[in-house]
Amino acid sequence: DVKVTQSSRYLVKRTGEKVFLECVQDMDHENMFWYRQDPGLGLRLIYFSYDVKMKEKGDIPEGYSVSREKKERFSLILESASTNQTSMYLCASTLVGASYNEQFFGPGTRLTVL
Amino acid sequence: QKEVEQDPGPLSVPEGAIVSLNCTYSNSAFQYFMWYRQYSRKGPELLMYTYSSGNKEDGRFTAQVDKSSKYISLFIRDSQPSDSATYLCAMSLDLRDDKIIFGKGTRLHILP
Repeated sequence: DVKVTQSSRYLVKRTGEKVFLECVQDMDHENMFWYRQDPGLGLRLIYFSYDVKMKEKGDIPEGYSVSREKKERFSLILESASTNQTSMYLCASTLVGASYNEQFFGPGTRLTVL
Repeated sequence: QKEVEQDPGPLSVPEGAIVSLNCTYSNSAFQYFMWYRQYSRKGPELLMYTYSSGNKEDGRFTAQVDKSSKYISLFIRDSQPSDSATYLCAMSLDLRDDKIIFGKGTRLHILP
């Protein structure tokens, strides 16, 4: 069964802290994505990675960075957390060359920055 | 004009009713159209997938694409309380397209 896991379901951090969100997929997928989801704004793409050590900026990369050292793991880093980064963060992955480009999502991490 | 427009709802209907969820889009180059379902406190999961125009049926769910009007729909027949969720439309240009454009989602409540 396809599985994307995220390191935490709920996280509370203070302004200025460095925050790491981890995502792991067990499907040998090439592409991995980080989104944030906010009421009224929907899903917004932060970064995606199409291979190990490769990354591309999404629509809202400011204040975030990513790391992909291994194919199965994609990390989102908030260098200095701010209150406007309070959100639900969703990780997803896709298989290149599949018959359709379904994105498989993790359960999400709800981050609160105080 | 936003690339994908979707009414956020909430939409409340009685159990057993037919539900119609819709999205409009502006980019006529989109070819792949999807509906994702997201339960509360969970990630979205793919519900239906269609290519180009036409209808696709899967049990109580029917996805419809009208490319001439840039309009897609999801119909749910005999709606159940377990169908209560947020439904997100999504679309992409082709299979090589790494990025999928999502609508903002419509919250649906099925009242028992």
